[in-house]
Amino acid sequence: ILNVEQSPQSLHVQEGDSTNFTCSFPSSNFYALHWYRWETAKSPEALFVMTLNGDEKKKGRISATLNTKEGYSYLYIKGSQPEDSATYLCAFKTGTASKLTFGTGTRLQVTL
Amino acid sequence: DSGVTQTPKHLITATGQRVTLRCSPRSGDLSVYWYQQSLDQGLQFLIQYYNGEERAKGNILERFSAQQFPDLHSELNLSSLELGDSALYFCASSPPPGSHNEQFFGPGTRLTVL
Repeated sequence: ILNVEQSPQSLHVQEGDSTNFTCSFPSSNFYALHWYRWETAKSPEALFVMTLNGDEKKKGRISATLNTKEGYSYLYIKGSQPEDSATYLCAFKTGTASKLTFGTGTRLQVTL
Repeated sequence: DSGVTQTPKHLITATGQRVTLRCSPRSGDLSVYWYQQSLDQGLQFLIQYYNGEERAKGNILERFSAQQFPDLHSELNLSSLELGDSALYFCASSPPPGSHNEQFFGPGTRLTVL
């Protein structure tokens, strides 16, 4: 059974704060690590797909890093805005499975 | 809009009943995935189809079944419904292999079993 863990479970920050969350996954048989953003009453939306150790991806104020040897990925949000409020999910794919295994997510709330 | 459509958006039914949820993938996507999201739980993978054939199975109950049709739309059938089956059911599709399985999610069907 693959275990994908995310921390913290929830986070409450002020507008303008920078924040980061962690996704831990098994380091063996790694194929890809996905990050999704899931706003309330909407469906999950892909942010990044990361495949190589040391990968860094960026989209606007959001960036992610990947360490496949130790089995973790960080998602960073610089200068959080209220519209960043969402649940951020990571999902792990092994080389032998075609499905993604999702973590339970980090729920971020950004207030003014 | 991801390009994945799901119907119906909401479904309210009684215990013991049977329902069918429908999903149409993005144009060109061959894979369809079904997920269940219950209260306070993450996305639980149920089943995957690829080009009409079952590819992977997750925590899917025997009372549940799915299929993918020649036009690539998929249906998830839930029978002998119980109160605990109340959840949000998502369908996702992904491009053919080689794309690292980035998944595009539909808007979901919220099932309420009374």
